[in-house]
Amino acid sequence: DVKVTQSSRYLVKRTGEKVFLECVQDMDHENMFWYRQDPGLGLRLIYFSYDVKMKEKGDIPEGYSVSREKKERFSLILESASTNQTSMYLCASSTQQGGGEKLFFGSGTQLSVL
Amino acid sequence: AQSVAQPEDQVNVAEGNPLTVKCTYSVSGNPYLFWYVQYPNRGLQFLLKYITGDNLVKGSYGFEAEFNKSQTSFHLKKPSALVSDSALYFCAVRDITNAGNMLTFGGGTRLMVKP
Repeated sequence: DVKVTQSSRYLVKRTGEKVFLECVQDMDHENMFWYRQDPGLGLRLIYFSYDVKMKEKGDIPEGYSVSREKKERFSLILESASTNQTSMYLCASSTQQGGGEKLFFGSGTQLSVL
Repeated sequence: AQSVAQPEDQVNVAEGNPLTVKCTYSVSGNPYLFWYVQYPNRGLQFLLKYITGDNLVKGSYGFEAEFNKSQTSFHLKKPSALVSDSALYFCAVRDITNAGNMLTFGGGTRLMVKP
C-alpha cells in the first residue's frame, strides 16, 4: 500500500514562528499536494508539485511556501505563523498515470498557532 | 472554473437503512467526479470515481454513486448502512479541460449511522 507520512500529528506554535510541515511518500509518485481542512470549508489546495523543484500555487497560497528537493518529500513552510493558519494540514500524493486523480493522503497535522 | 456543493452538513440514518449523501457540481467542460471518506483521526481514503461510461459507479465498502449529467449530480449511495460507515464524506470534481491534476473538494458531509 502507498504510504504518505506526515512528520507530526499535532503541533503547537507561537505567532510569528517559522513552521515546517514535512511529508514523505514511498510510492515514487510524481504529484504531491498540500491541503488545509477547515470545518464547513472542506479541503482547500495550498500548493502542489508535479516534479522535483517544481511548484504551483493552489487556491490559497498566501502565507505559505513549499519545497520539493527530492521526489519523495514535499515540505510546507509557514514563513511567519498567524492564528488564522490554525488548521488541519493534509499532504497527498498521486501518480500522473491514468489521470492522477486518485490521491493518497497522510493522516494530517493539526496545527495550532497561539 | 470548477466547484462542488454538498448541501447537507450531516446525514443521519439508522443501521440497515439505505443512505444517500448528495453532491452537485459545476464545470465548464466534462467532469471527473470522486468520493473520498475520512474516518476519525485518519486521512482521507479514495472511495470511487466516475471518468466515463456507465453512470452507476461501484466503489469500496459497498458504496456506489450515480452520475446524472442533466442534474449535474453525483450522489453517493449504499443499500444498507453500517455503524462503521459513520465518517466524513467528501465529493470532489475535476474539469477534464483542466490541464493540471487539481481536484476541487466540497465542504464535506458527516454521516452518522445509529444502531
